[in-house]
Amino acid sequence: GENVEQHPSTLSVQEGDSAVIKCTYSDSASNYFPWYKQELGKRPQLIIDIRSNVGEKKDQRIAVTLNKTAKHFSLHITETQPEDSAVYFCAVFSGGGADGLTFGKGTHLIIQP
Amino acid sequence: DTGVSQDPRHKITKRGQNVTFRCDPISEHNRLYWYRQTLGQGPEFLTYFQNEAQLEKSRLLSDRFSAERPKGSFSTLEIQRTEQGDSAMYLCASSGSGRLTGELFFGEGSRLTVL
Repeated sequence: GENVEQHPSTLSVQEGDSAVIKCTYSDSASNYFPWYKQELGKRPQLIIDIRSNVGEKKDQRIAVTLNKTAKHFSLHITETQPEDSAVYFCAVFSGGGADGLTFGKGTHLIIQP
Repeated sequence: DTGVSQDPRHKITKRGQNVTFRCDPISEHNRLYWYRQTLGQGPEFLTYFQNEAQLEKSRLLSDRFSAERPKGSFSTLEIQRTEQGDSAMYLCASSGSGRLTGELFFGEGSRLTVL
């Protein structure tokens, strides 16, 4: 099955700085790569996603890049704000087998004031 | 609210009891997923329905777990003879088909505590 590795597990940055979270995956057939943000006690919420036919996607302060050859993708958050503090999960959709998303273990992002 | 809803939000039970969770997906979504999330971990896939058909079950889903989606709308997840290791957040998610395949919308979850 799919194996998703996410790093780092904890990331602390100063408010206003950028944050980068990286994930690698194992199944070259994977074709959909979402990122979810989960605040304490809340549901995971989709913040950005990318499909395998593009290399980069941007939405205001958030961007995702995908390198299919190397089988890794990254979340970039610029001009971080206190409300960005949360746990972020990457996920990979293979379209076969379980036909569901395989999640990374999460990154706890802490924005220092 | 037209999002995914789950009930109950919290359940505390004694070991050995049975519990049942309900999920109502977004109405036009034909795919429904159950995930389990423990503290400090990402959601783990349990099972998946397309309409009323259960198409996939994770090896994490022991014989004590059963899920149904009888009319292709809401779904139930039952855990029989609960164990302390079953304590977790049980998340339901739904998605459409076609080009949006894979884009999951999660409910708020049902938190299970087994004493």
